[in-house]
Amino acid sequence: GAVVSQHPSRVICKSGTSVKIECRSLDFQATTMFWYRQFPKQSLMLMATSNEGSKATYEQGVEKDKFLINHASLTLSTLTVTSAHPEDSSFYICSARKGTLNTEAFFGQGTRLTVV
Amino acid sequence: DQQVKQNSPSLSVQEGRISILNCDYTNSMFDYFLWYKKYPAEGPTFLISISSIKDKNEDGRFTVFLNKSAKHLSLHIVPSQPGDSAVYFCAASAGRGSARQLTFGSGTQLTVLP
Repeated sequence: GAVVSQHPSRVICKSGTSVKIECRSLDFQATTMFWYRQFPKQSLMLMATSNEGSKATYEQGVEKDKFLINHASLTLSTLTVTSAHPEDSSFYICSARKGTLNTEAFFGQGTRLTVV
Repeated sequence: DQQVKQNSPSLSVQEGRISILNCDYTNSMFDYFLWYKKYPAEGPTFLISISSIKDKNEDGRFTVFLNKSAKHLSLHIVPSQPGDSAVYFCAASAGRGSARQLTFGSGTQLTVLP
């Protein structure tokens, strides 16, 4: 199977600071990567879809200026939570897809963000 | 508006018995369905999938059934093992090319009792 690595797995930051989360596809090229957020005991909510070399497509209700996504290469996408607030505390998960025809997505390990 | 629904937040099953996890969807454009397994503080791992042109797909202990007319799918695990205890997410996909996205249900916590 394909491997997607997400880093860091846990991060605690102070309110008002920014945090960057990296998502890497280790053994395949991911033309499309997805960023999800999961609240406790709830589903994975898609935040944005990122295609290599182009701007991310954000879901309704997701602030693009707050959640900056960069997909600079076929193996790396980053999510930066800017000016973090306690309500941004959540579990963030990325996934990557091989090519455009394959529906199966491979997920990173997730990042537990706590804003204090 | 939840397009993919898992109405049972939890399910307990005795080891060796069958686990049946259910999922309903409302969007008739969905043409591919997947089941993922997730442990706490980890990302989901892919289990099994089914295309809308099929009604059954089997892989070892896991079988997924799709009833398109009822917009319902289910995951059967038999025999259930304690290591199967996890949250199971149903996901559905529609769209073409890079627009294909996964829409997830809210998950069902499966507990397999030894």
